[in-house]
Amino acid sequence: GAVVSQHPSWVICKSGTSVKIECRSLDFQATTMFWYRQFPKQSLMLMATSNEGSKATYEQGVEKDKFLINHASLTLSTLTVTSAHPEDSSFYICSAIAGLEVSEQYFGPGTRLTVT
Amino acid sequence: GQNIDQPTEMTATEGAIVQINCTYQTSGFNGLFWYQQHAGEAPTFLSYNVLDGLEEKGRFSSFLSRSKGYSYLLLKELQMKDSASYLCAVVNSNYQLIWGAGTKLIIKP
Repeated sequence: GAVVSQHPSWVICKSGTSVKIECRSLDFQATTMFWYRQFPKQSLMLMATSNEGSKATYEQGVEKDKFLINHASLTLSTLTVTSAHPEDSSFYICSAIAGLEVSEQYFGPGTRLTVT
Repeated sequence: GQNIDQPTEMTATEGAIVQINCTYQTSGFNGLFWYQQHAGEAPTFLSYNVLDGLEEKGRFSSFLSRSKGYSYLLLKELQMKDSASYLCAVVNSNYQLIWGAGTKLIIKP
């Protein structure tokens, strides 16, 4: 089956620094990748939709200047949390679509970010 | 607005059967997913229903009624490892995934 990886799996950083999270589709090309955030005991919240070679589409309420998304190739998308604050501490999950249908969505294992 | 409703938490006994319900109101419908999510991990795919009826896959079955905006996930012969959150998600007419808040299932011996 299709595999999506994320790196790092967990990261601790100091307030004010920036953190980059990578999402890779290992055995397929992903024209579209999604970035989600999940706070404890809550469901996934879609942050943005990332298409290869174009600007990401951010959901309402998500600051695009704070959460920088780059989808440079068909197998790699990155999310950079700039000037991180403790309230940005969360579980960040990416997913990728193998074909054109959202039903073929595969999730990465997630990245646990803790900002101190 | 669009919303997905599921119970927040359910408790069941090992070896028993449990049904987790999901009702939805979305702008259009292009399918419904059920995912399982263990604490601290990403969701894993369980089922995808786009037509009415019951689909069985081993111990897990998923049912859909589009006219009622209703689905359920049925888990049989419960095992301790089934303790997890179960997420219902609907694909709307814009092919966006609308997520429910999840149902935390607690299995007791």
